[in-house]
Amino acid sequence: AQTVTQSQPEMSVQEAETVTLSCTYDTSENNYYLFWYKQPPSRQMILVIRQEAYKQQNATENRFSVNFQKAAKSFSLKISDSQLGDTAMYFCAFMKQSGTSYGKLTFGQGTILTVHP
Amino acid sequence: GAGVSQTPSNKVTEKGKYVELRCDPISGHTALYWYRQSLGQGPEFLIYFQGTGAADDSGLPNDRFFAVRPEGSVSTLKIQRTERGDSAVYLCASSLTPSGVEDTQYFGPGTRLTVL
Repeated sequence: AQTVTQSQPEMSVQEAETVTLSCTYDTSENNYYLFWYKQPPSRQMILVIRQEAYKQQNATENRFSVNFQKAAKSFSLKISDSQLGDTAMYFCAFMKQSGTSYGKLTFGQGTILTVHP
Repeated sequence: GAGVSQTPSNKVTEKGKYVELRCDPISGHTALYWYRQSLGQGPEFLIYFQGTGAADDSGLPNDRFFAVRPEGSVSTLKIQRTERGDSAVYLCASSLTPSGVEDTQYFGPGTRLTVL
């Protein structure tokens, strides 16, 4: 079974600054996907960024980038130039690439991020 | 295009009652997923459909929970003899295909179920 751990229940950052959210995971799989999802108070879960484990290059999406360390089983999210609209709960998630339980996302406990003006 | 929709947005029921929660996936998405999110927690997997069939129902907590997707589009999550512990937000997600680069899951806004 896979587990995902987010050790920071809450984080805060000033507008325009940079913040990093941590995530570690445990799996015996070699091929898998990792995701960061954002959930604002509206409850809508929104995909922020995705990383395939077989890719060594870290994924980036505009102001969002990840630091994927496969050997350490670490997957952190860096948000640059933070904006007020980034305030939300952020979830790290794991999904196997194939086999049984494929399609099942395993989520961490979440990190509440607050961006202050 | 339209995203995943879920109805009702909120549902309040009494202990012991039966409830149905509906999910309309993105048009053309063959895979559909249900998750349950308790307050302050991450979502937990319940069941996954590929087309009309349940490909993985290992997350359903007990036999009071059942889900269907009879025509491979809309899905209904059914909960019998509701208990206070069933109170949570029930999230639905869909993906274009179950594998490959098109397997990103897109979520609906959820149904908040409160059992009194």
